[in-house]
Amino acid sequence: DAGVIQSPRHEVTEMGQEVTLRCKLISGHNSLFWYRQTMMRGLELLIYFNNNVPIDDSGMPEDRFSAKMPNASFSTLKIQPSEPRDSAVYFCASSLTGETPLHFGNGTRLTVT
Amino acid sequence: AQKITQTQPGMFVQEKEAVTLDCTYDTSDQSYGLFWYKQPSSGEMIFLIYQGSYDEQNATEGRYSLNFQKARKSANLVISASQLGDSAMYFCAMRNYGQNFVFGPGTRLSVLP
Repeated sequence: DAGVIQSPRHEVTEMGQEVTLRCKLISGHNSLFWYRQTMMRGLELLIYFNNNVPIDDSGMPEDRFSAKMPNASFSTLKIQPSEPRDSAVYFCASSLTGETPLHFGNGTRLTVT
Repeated sequence: AQKITQTQPGMFVQEKEAVTLDCTYDTSDQSYGLFWYKQPSSGEMIFLIYQGSYDEQNATEGRYSLNFQKARKSANLVISASQLGDSAMYFCAMRNYGQNFVFGPGTRLSVLP
């Protein structure tokens, strides 16, 4: 099993540009989580999906952020337009429903200048 | 609302000694899972150990054990025979069935030679 795969690993962009982060879930997993990690705020949940349906997006900072699951194995997180305060490590994680552990991808380190 | 508290921002332990990382949680649900993750300086999130709320025995995984005290709502992680490679951030997390994963703020463990 390849694990959760995130791309790109690093992204450097200028303020105002669109950024798209990608995530491939572990085969068979039906829950998908996007987290953001910074030194100041720690690990923050942005959004999570069960069976491709967004369940809780209350952590999405504002309308500049959007997340989709076009199919059961893939998700994107888009920031448009990006701002310097969006600089962080973004993690995608997947699991089965229930009290099962989250499996994290290696994260995308985003720097917005 | 679910909440995880980790009261130790940083801990030091001598190599080969045991160390306990504290975690308390708050939930009104009867069924839930408790998890510990390790995040080394390289940044990946590594699942360590799981304890179900109905499990009567404390979970163990190699040098890791979870000291589960349900009445006190605590789920402390015990690392025995610490190694230099155990130096990392450690996160306690909780999940109620089908719901969000909630993470604590983390404890930074430093193992001294």
